[in-house]
Amino acid sequence: GAGVSQSPSNKVTEKGKDVELRCDPISGHTALYWYRQSLGQGLEFLIYFQGNSAPDKSGLPSDRFSAERTGGSVSTLTIQRTQQEDSAVYLCASSLRGDSGNTIYFGEGSWLTVV
Amino acid sequence: QKEVEQNSGPLSVPEGAIASLNCTYSDRGSQSFFWYRQYSGKSPELIMSIYSNGDKEDGRFTAQLNKASQYVSLLIRDSQPSDSATYLCAGGRRNQGGKLIFGQGTELSVKP
Repeated sequence: GAGVSQSPSNKVTEKGKDVELRCDPISGHTALYWYRQSLGQGLEFLIYFQGNSAPDKSGLPSDRFSAERTGGSVSTLTIQRTQQEDSAVYLCASSLRGDSGNTIYFGEGSWLTVV
Repeated sequence: QKEVEQNSGPLSVPEGAIASLNCTYSDRGSQSFFWYRQYSGKSPELIMSIYSNGDKEDGRFTAQLNKASQYVSLLIRDSQPSDSATYLCAGGRRNQGGKLIFGQGTELSVKP
Protein backbone atom coordinates (compact mmCIF):
# COMPACT_ATOMS: atom_id res chain seq x y z
CA GLY A 1 0.00 0.00 0.00
CA ALA A 2 0.95 3.63 -0.27
CA GLY A 3 1.20 4.30 3.44
CA VAL A 4 1.68 2.58 6.78
CA SER A 5 -1.32 0.39 7.43
CA GLN A 6 -2.49 -0.53 10.91
CA SER A 7 -5.21 -2.81 12.19
CA PRO A 8 -7.50 -2.81 13.99
CA SER A 9 -8.23 0.90 13.88
CA ASN A 10 -10.22 0.61 17.09
CA LYS A 11 -10.18 -2.06 19.77
CA VAL A 12 -12.12 -2.27 23.01
CA THR A 13 -10.99 -5.04 25.30
CA GLU A 14 -11.64 -6.16 28.83
CA LYS A 15 -9.00 -5.75 31.48
CA GLY A 16 -6.84 -8.86 31.66
CA LYS A 17 -7.29 -9.89 28.03
CA ASP A 18 -4.46 -10.04 25.51
CA VAL A 19 -4.50 -7.88 22.38
CA GLU A 20 -2.54 -7.93 19.15
CA LEU A 21 -2.01 -4.88 16.99
CA ARG A 22 -0.74 -5.20 13.45
CA CYS A 23 1.38 -2.92 11.31
CA ASP A 24 2.20 -3.16 7.63
CA PRO A 25 4.96 -0.66 6.80
CA ILE A 26 5.54 1.16 3.56
CA SER A 27 6.98 -1.23 1.00
CA GLY A 28 10.77 -1.11 0.94
CA HIS A 29 11.13 0.56 4.32
CA THR A 30 13.66 -1.27 6.43
CA ALA A 31 12.98 0.48 9.72
CA LEU A 32 9.76 0.09 11.71
CA TYR A 33 8.76 1.77 14.96
CA TRP A 34 6.01 1.52 17.52
CA TYR A 35 5.00 4.56 19.54
CA ARG A 36 2.21 5.11 22.03
CA GLN A 37 0.21 8.28 22.57
CA SER A 38 -1.98 8.61 25.65
CA LEU A 39 -4.74 11.22 25.85
CA GLY A 40 -3.24 14.69 25.73
CA GLN A 41 0.31 13.37 25.76
CA GLY A 42 3.18 13.36 23.33
CA LEU A 43 4.39 10.26 21.61
CA GLU A 44 6.23 7.69 23.68
CA PHE A 45 8.75 5.45 21.92
CA LEU A 46 8.18 1.73 22.46
CA ILE A 47 10.32 -0.36 20.11
CA TYR A 48 12.31 -0.08 16.89
CA PHE A 49 13.22 -2.69 14.26
CA GLN A 50 15.98 -2.14 11.73
CA GLY A 51 16.48 -4.82 9.10
CA ASN A 52 17.72 -8.06 10.63
CA SER A 53 19.28 -6.41 13.67
CA ALA A 54 18.07 -7.09 17.18
CA PRO A 55 15.23 -4.69 17.98
CA ASP A 56 15.68 -1.75 20.33
CA LYS A 57 13.14 -2.60 23.03
CA SER A 58 14.21 0.12 25.44
CA GLY A 59 10.84 1.87 25.41
CA LEU A 60 8.60 -1.07 26.26
CA PRO A 61 6.91 -0.14 29.57
CA SER A 62 6.67 -3.65 31.01
CA ASP A 63 7.19 -7.31 30.18
CA ARG A 64 3.51 -7.48 29.22
CA PHE A 65 4.47 -5.74 26.01
CA SER A 66 6.25 -7.51 23.17
CA ALA A 67 6.60 -7.08 19.45
CA GLU A 68 7.88 -9.06 16.55
CA ARG A 69 8.54 -8.37 12.93
CA THR A 70 8.26 -11.25 10.53
CA GLY A 71 10.17 -11.39 7.27
CA GLY A 72 11.38 -7.84 7.71
CA SER A 73 7.93 -6.48 6.93
CA VAL A 74 4.74 -6.86 8.98
CA SER A 75 4.97 -6.28 12.72
CA THR A 76 2.71 -7.30 15.57
CA LEU A 77 2.62 -5.57 18.95
CA THR A 78 1.20 -7.80 21.67
CA ILE A 79 -0.04 -6.58 25.03
CA GLN A 80 -0.72 -9.34 27.52
CA ARG A 81 -3.07 -9.06 30.49
CA THR A 82 -4.15 -5.56 29.49
CA GLN A 83 -4.60 -2.88 32.14
CA GLN A 84 -6.63 0.31 31.98
CA GLU A 85 -3.46 2.39 31.79
CA ASP A 86 -2.69 0.66 28.49
CA SER A 87 -5.54 2.61 26.89
CA ALA A 88 -3.91 4.78 24.24
CA VAL A 89 -3.36 5.18 20.54
CA TYR A 90 -0.65 2.85 19.33
CA LEU A 91 1.11 4.34 16.34
CA CYS A 92 3.30 2.40 13.97
CA ALA A 93 5.76 4.17 11.72
CA SER A 94 8.34 3.25 9.14
CA SER A 95 11.29 4.85 7.40
CA LEU A 96 13.44 3.94 4.45
CA ARG A 97 16.47 3.46 6.67
CA GLY A 98 17.04 3.54 10.36
CA ASP A 99 19.18 6.63 10.86
CA SER A 100 17.47 9.63 12.36
CA GLY A 101 17.95 11.66 9.20
CA ASN A 102 15.24 9.65 7.52
CA THR A 103 11.64 10.82 7.46
CA ILE A 104 9.39 8.70 9.62
CA TYR A 105 5.90 8.09 8.26
CA PHE A 106 3.16 7.26 10.73
CA GLY A 107 0.12 5.08 10.28
CA GLU A 108 -3.31 6.20 11.43
CA GLY A 109 -2.95 4.29 14.68
CA SER A 110 -4.80 1.64 16.61
CA TRP A 111 -7.02 3.15 19.29
CA LEU A 112 -7.04 0.78 22.26
CA THR A 113 -9.54 1.10 25.08
CA VAL A 114 -9.28 -1.23 28.06
CA VAL A 115 -12.46 -1.40 30.14
CA GLN B 1 12.84 16.59 33.84
CA LYS B 2 11.35 15.81 30.45
CA GLU B 3 13.87 15.37 27.70
CA VAL B 4 11.94 17.53 25.25
CA GLU B 5 9.77 20.30 26.62
CA GLN B 6 7.15 22.43 24.93
CA ASN B 7 4.53 24.84 26.20
CA SER B 8 1.25 22.97 25.92
CA GLY B 9 -0.64 26.11 24.97
CA PRO B 10 -3.11 26.71 23.61
CA LEU B 11 -1.39 29.36 21.55
CA SER B 12 -3.90 31.58 19.84
CA VAL B 13 -2.97 33.88 16.96
CA PRO B 14 -5.07 35.84 14.47
CA GLU B 15 -5.16 34.82 10.84
CA GLY B 16 -2.20 36.27 8.94
CA ALA B 17 0.00 36.63 12.00
CA ILE B 18 3.24 34.83 12.79
CA ALA B 19 2.94 31.86 15.12
CA SER B 20 6.04 31.07 17.16
CA LEU B 21 6.41 27.61 18.69
CA ASN B 22 9.27 26.78 21.01
CA CYS B 23 10.96 23.65 22.26
CA THR B 24 13.91 22.91 24.54
CA TYR B 25 15.76 19.64 24.91
CA SER B 26 18.05 18.24 27.56
CA ASP B 27 20.05 15.61 25.65
CA ARG B 28 23.14 17.32 24.24
CA GLY B 29 23.74 14.22 22.12
CA SER B 30 20.61 14.91 20.07
CA GLN B 31 21.57 15.74 16.52
CA SER B 32 18.33 15.67 14.54
CA PHE B 33 15.21 17.66 15.24
CA PHE B 34 11.76 17.51 13.78
CA TRP B 35 8.47 19.33 13.88
CA TYR B 36 5.35 17.28 13.35
CA ARG B 37 1.82 18.58 12.92
CA GLN B 38 -1.05 16.55 14.32
CA TYR B 39 -4.68 17.30 13.65
CA SER B 40 -7.17 16.06 16.20
CA GLY B 41 -7.77 12.34 15.80
CA LYS B 42 -5.12 12.01 13.12
CA SER B 43 -1.56 10.75 13.02
CA PRO B 44 1.44 13.10 13.09
CA GLU B 45 2.85 14.34 9.81
CA LEU B 46 6.35 15.71 9.36
CA ILE B 47 6.52 19.37 8.38
CA MET B 48 10.16 20.32 9.07
CA SER B 49 13.46 18.69 9.93
CA ILE B 50 16.63 20.50 10.99
CA TYR B 51 20.09 19.18 11.77
CA SER B 52 22.41 22.23 11.79
CA ASN B 53 22.48 25.42 13.79
CA GLY B 54 20.64 28.29 12.17
CA ASP B 55 17.46 28.68 10.19
CA LYS B 56 15.81 26.43 7.65
CA GLU B 57 12.95 27.77 5.60
CA ASP B 58 10.27 25.87 3.70
CA GLY B 59 7.41 27.95 2.37
CA ARG B 60 5.63 29.60 5.28
CA PHE B 61 7.57 27.53 7.81
CA THR B 62 10.97 28.34 9.34
CA ALA B 63 12.71 26.06 11.78
CA GLN B 64 15.48 27.42 13.97
CA LEU B 65 18.06 25.40 15.90
CA ASN B 66 20.48 26.62 18.53
CA LYS B 67 22.46 23.68 19.90
CA ALA B 68 24.37 25.80 22.42
CA SER B 69 21.08 26.86 24.02
CA GLN B 70 19.43 23.48 23.31
CA TYR B 71 16.56 25.29 21.71
CA VAL B 72 14.43 24.58 18.65
CA SER B 73 11.67 26.75 17.30
CA LEU B 74 9.14 26.80 14.49
CA LEU B 75 7.79 29.97 12.96
CA ILE B 76 4.66 29.89 10.84
CA ARG B 77 4.21 33.02 8.75
CA ASP B 78 0.83 34.19 7.44
CA SER B 79 -0.94 31.75 9.74
CA GLN B 80 -4.12 30.21 8.38
CA PRO B 81 -7.04 28.59 10.21
CA SER B 82 -5.96 25.32 8.56
CA ASP B 83 -2.73 25.55 10.57
CA SER B 84 -4.75 24.99 13.74
CA ALA B 85 -3.37 21.74 15.14
CA THR B 86 -1.00 20.39 17.75
CA TYR B 87 2.67 20.78 16.87
CA LEU B 88 5.06 18.17 18.20
CA CYS B 89 8.77 18.78 18.59
CA ALA B 90 11.05 15.73 18.51
CA GLY B 91 14.76 15.06 18.76
CA GLY B 92 16.96 12.07 18.13
CA ARG B 93 20.50 10.78 17.97
CA ARG B 94 21.85 9.46 14.69
CA ASN B 95 23.26 6.35 16.38
CA GLN B 96 19.84 5.50 17.78
CA GLY B 97 18.20 5.22 14.42
CA GLY B 98 14.74 6.70 14.22
CA LYS B 99 14.08 6.54 17.94
CA LEU B 100 12.77 10.01 18.65
CA ILE B 101 11.93 11.75 21.89
CA PHE B 102 8.79 13.82 21.52
CA GLY B 103 7.58 16.79 23.48
CA GLN B 104 3.98 16.92 24.67
CA GLY B 105 3.00 19.22 21.84
CA THR B 106 1.76 22.80 21.58
CA GLU B 107 -1.82 23.36 20.53
CA LEU B 108 -2.10 26.19 18.01
CA SER B 109 -5.36 27.93 17.24
CA VAL B 110 -5.50 30.39 14.34
CA LYS B 111 -8.57 32.63 14.57
CA PRO B 112 -10.15 33.93 11.36
